[in-house]
Amino acid sequence: SQQGEEDPQALSIQEGENATMNCSYKTSINNLQWYRQNSGRGLVHLILIRSNEREKHSGRLRVTLDTSKKSSSLLITASRAADTASYFCATDPNTGNQFYFGTGTSLTVIP
Amino acid sequence: GAGVSQSPSNKVTEKGKDVELRCDPISGHTALYWYRQSLGQGLEFLIYFQGNSAPDKSGLPSDRFSAERTGGSVSTLTIQRTQQEDSAVYLCASSLLQNTGELFFGEGSRLTVL
Repeated sequence: SQQGEEDPQALSIQEGENATMNCSYKTSINNLQWYRQNSGRGLVHLILIRSNEREKHSGRLRVTLDTSKKSSSLLITASRAADTASYFCATDPNTGNQFYFGTGTSLTVIP
Repeated sequence: GAGVSQSPSNKVTEKGKDVELRCDPISGHTALYWYRQSLGQGLEFLIYFQGNSAPDKSGLPSDRFSAERTGGSVSTLTIQRTQQEDSAVYLCASSLLQNTGELFFGEGSRLTVL
């Protein structure tokens, strides 16, 4: 399978703490994206990082990309209860048409 | 509409029946994807449409699954002779450009096969 893998599968933290999720993938990529999915809803795009970028910020989100290790991390700072959701990484490989999604990290932020 | 629209939002059917799921992408988006998400799992690629090019059907799990996209806009995913293992949420996404931008997802169609 060329799917990515997120780690951990589940994460529970207190409001105000930082949450870090990791994603590993298998093929060379053009870019990597992170998505969020609230329970029973569709996925919402959070941030995209290109293969020639190493770090990117958007509000409370910080994404890093290490193409040599084929891994990425998503950091959510100062978490809020509303951040409770599943988070998925998606890779856009150099070949083929599909985006490969990881298995997701389920984040619970306790108020 | 402003976003990707999918219908029905929920579908309960009996084993052996055929079902059709509809996706109305964002106007002007040339790329359209269907994914399947089983309970608590990641997304499984099914099929990809890009403009007038032949679709990439490499993810369809069996010949009971088919999809079409009429006029480069609305897409229909058809599952024939449904089986219980087809129960899942079917997600549609569209994108302005192929492989270079974000995907915009619909809310999904939850299919339950009894």
